[in-house]
Amino acid sequence: KNEVEQSPQNLTAQEGEFITINCSYSVGISALHWLQQHPGGGIVSLFMLSSGKKKHGRLIATINIQEKHSSLHITASHPRDSAVYICAVSAPGSARQLTFGSGTQLTVLP
Amino acid sequence: DAGVTQSPTHLIKTRGQQVTLRCSPISGHKSVSWYQQVLGQGPQFIFQYYEKEERGRGNFPDRFSARQFPNYSSELNVNALLLGDSALYLCASSFSPNYGYTFGSGTRLTVV
Repeated sequence: KNEVEQSPQNLTAQEGEFITINCSYSVGISALHWLQQHPGGGIVSLFMLSSGKKKHGRLIATINIQEKHSSLHITASHPRDSAVYICAVSAPGSARQLTFGSGTQLTVLP
Repeated sequence: DAGVTQSPTHLIKTRGQQVTLRCSPISGHKSVSWYQQVLGQGPQFIFQYYEKEERGRGNFPDRFSARQFPNYSSELNVNALLLGDSALYLCASSFSPNYGYTFGSGTRLTVV
């Protein structure tokens, strides 16, 4: 079993729809990261959170430490949101290296 | 302010050769991490350096090595290349391991 599981693997939505991507992890963490990867490989960090909820524009990320679960929500989705969304967790300890989920491919249709 | 810069962006090498990938972190960032992303999979941790010292190493063979220079830039070296080393190599920098990361655009390595 992977340490970080994401669902769904693929998601197709119509423009304007509310989107939720889920992430579950099985290890102790210092923080959870949501990242966006576009074709060509560049990764953009969206959120880093260790508790509660964060909001940036149309993006909202929540985390429940007790349940080891996080969600990324996109409100009023747009075709430019189409990308791979990746959940990653930082290990406790001095290195804090990231362990990544396998990603969710989101396609938003106009 | 420049982001994380990686070079080269693409390269093709032959099996058995050696390769050096370079990363320049954001100014002020002292931590650099390297990740390997094989097509269709999430990135895998290779190394982390902070203040020029190795802070962490992933499950990669000794053919992989890295170092961080006094200006906090970093190099990743891979010896005796195998076809399976073909991947996108990502560098991420951070002020320290406790802070969020900024990723470079990656170096796409193809081994033929």
